[in-house]
Amino acid sequence: AQSVTQLDSHVSVSEGTPVLLRCNYSSSYSPSLFWYVQHPNKGLQLLLKYTSAATLVKGINGFEAEFKKSETSFHLTKPSAHMSDAAEYFCVVSGNTGFQKLVFGTGTRLLVSP
Amino acid sequence: EAGVTQFPSHSVIEKGQTVTLRCDPISGHDNLYWYRRVMGKEIKFLLHFVKESKQDESGMPNNRFLAERTGGTYSTLKVQPAELEDSGVYFCASSQDPGEGITQYFGPGTRLLVL
Repeated sequence: AQSVTQLDSHVSVSEGTPVLLRCNYSSSYSPSLFWYVQHPNKGLQLLLKYTSAATLVKGINGFEAEFKKSETSFHLTKPSAHMSDAAEYFCVVSGNTGFQKLVFGTGTRLLVSP
Repeated sequence: EAGVTQFPSHSVIEKGQTVTLRCDPISGHDNLYWYRRVMGKEIKFLLHFVKESKQDESGMPNNRFLAERTGGTYSTLKVQPAELEDSGVYFCASSQDPGEGITQYFGPGTRLLVL
């Protein structure tokens, strides 16, 4: 079965410093991986996705993630944090039942201080 | 283009009552999904419709939950009778096509509190 592990429940950064949110996945085949973000009282928004094309994926708002098969990782990064990046971030893998089912990590809450 | 909409945004009910959640997918999206996040847990899949048919309902927790999608448009999720452990956020998502790597677009969620 597919699964993802988000290694940090909370990450705190200062505005203007780099962001690293860590995600490891488990899959019996080459998966599709996603990062979604949820701002307070908002819905889930897709940041980026990997679907076996380029291993470095660029998303919205300056975020990017690199698929590393050897490390089974899909970490999310951003060179410089902005106050508006404060939100909860979810690493997600497609399920193996017809691929439609999404399997979510437990989420990482990003706190950005001035 | 309107996104996925959900109604109500919040619902507070007492244990034993019935609640019906509604989801309107993006126009033209045949695939509709329900997920939920109970307090302190991860978001979990409940079920998947293709048009009006249930494609996968493996995540439905028990028979107190009934999902319908009449005419293949909007969907409802009824909880009857509601229990305390049903409290959480219920998300709906839709996609144009099924399959691996297809983006699912999520609604804002319905926050359900059972007292």
